[in-house]
Order: sequence, then C-alpha cells, then structure tokens
Amino acid sequence: NAGVTQTPKFQVLKTGQSMTLQCAQDMNHEYMSWYRQDPGMGLRLIHYSVGAGITDQGEVPNGYNVSRSTTEDFPLRLLSAAPSQTSVYFCASSGPTSGRGGNEQFFGPGTRLTVL
Amino acid sequence: DQQVKQNSPSLSVQEGRISILNCDYTNSMFDYFLWYKKYPAEGPTFLISISSIKDKNEDGRFTVFLNKSAKHLSLHIVPSQPGDSAVYFCAARSNDYKLSFGAGTTVTVRA
Repeated sequence: NAGVTQTPKFQVLKTGQSMTLQCAQDMNHEYMSWYRQDPGMGLRLIHYSVGAGITDQGEVPNGYNVSRSTTEDFPLRLLSAAPSQTSVYFCASSGPTSGRGGNEQFFGPGTRLTVL
Repeated sequence: DQQVKQNSPSLSVQEGRISILNCDYTNSMFDYFLWYKKYPAEGPTFLISISSIKDKNEDGRFTVFLNKSAKHLSLHIVPSQPGDSAVYFCAARSNDYKLSFGAGTTVTVRA
C-alpha cells in the first residue's frame, strides 16, 4: 500500500491564481480530511468527507473547495490564492478500524504552498 | 478558540532521561485522545492514544495519562532517545471523528 499520497510537494503561486492540491489513499478509508499547519497554530481542519459524495466544512474553510467523487481521491481547490494561504497542507484518511488507536488518521507527506 | 492547548512550545531532555509532554483541553465531549509525532518535511504519524474511559495507556517506552477531572493529559517517554527528537502534537477526537490539534511541542534529546 502507498498509504496517503499528495501532489505536488511544493508549489509557488501568485495572488489570484487557482490550483488544486491532489490527495489519494489506497486503504479504502471512508473518512478523509485536509489540514493546514501554520507556526504556533498546530493543524487546523479545512474540510472533511465521511464518504464519496459527502463533504463538510472544518474550522478554516474559507477560500477552499473540496469534492469527493470517489473513495480514493479528495482534491482541495484554491479558487483565488491569497498570501494568507501560504502554509503546509496535509491530507489524512481513516476508517472505523484503522490503526491501533481506532479511527487513527494516516497523514500524507504534505504540500508546502507559498503565495506571493 | 483553541480547544486543545500545548503550553510548552519546546522541551530539551538528556538522552536516557524521561520526557514529559503536557496537553490541556476544554471540551468535555472529546471521547478519544491521540499523540502524533512529526519529523521535518514529513506528515504526522500516530504514536499512542487513550480512550476517555481510561486513565492510562502504555506502549513500550510511551505512556499516556489522562486526568478527566482536570481536562489534562500527558505523554511520558522513558528512556528518551535521540530518534525521539521531533514535534509532538496532542489531538482530541469529538464524536463526529473530527480531530482538534494542539500547537505542538518540539522535543530535543541531547546526547
């Protein structure tokens, strides 16, 4: 299993540009989520999905869109990038029996995004 | 308003000694607590967890303690090793499976 994969690893955007961060998992997990990590803030939930066709907002959803057309993929779209969206983005997935912790979330390696 | 707080941004400990990381939370509805470890340029990886109905869970060198009345949990690492140098995140799960994370504590293990 590849686990959770994210592309790209690094990206630089100009203010106003749009882009999609890709996330895929091969563990057949129902639950997927996107976080952003900023210094001194920990990880904050942007959007999450409990299954294909179902998405919901997390703590910091503004400026981001998501969709979940398949169990495997959960892309995050930035509609019009702003410098405040400069961050490291992590995708995670979990299932009812994943890991020793029960519903343990598995994280991808992250995408480092800079918006100029 | 942050529901999970790690008030110590950093911790330095000598190799072989105990590392104690602390975490406080405000939401009494959290039902599961987890610790994640993160190395630079990698995603967080699960370390250990504890259910809200327990007060202690051990896994090798790692022990997590939960004090529900104080809304406080701690992670003990004994003995600390150089490979333990990383950022440690405390997380709490609500009943809709969303995780709330603390800001993290950077642990440095000195030789």
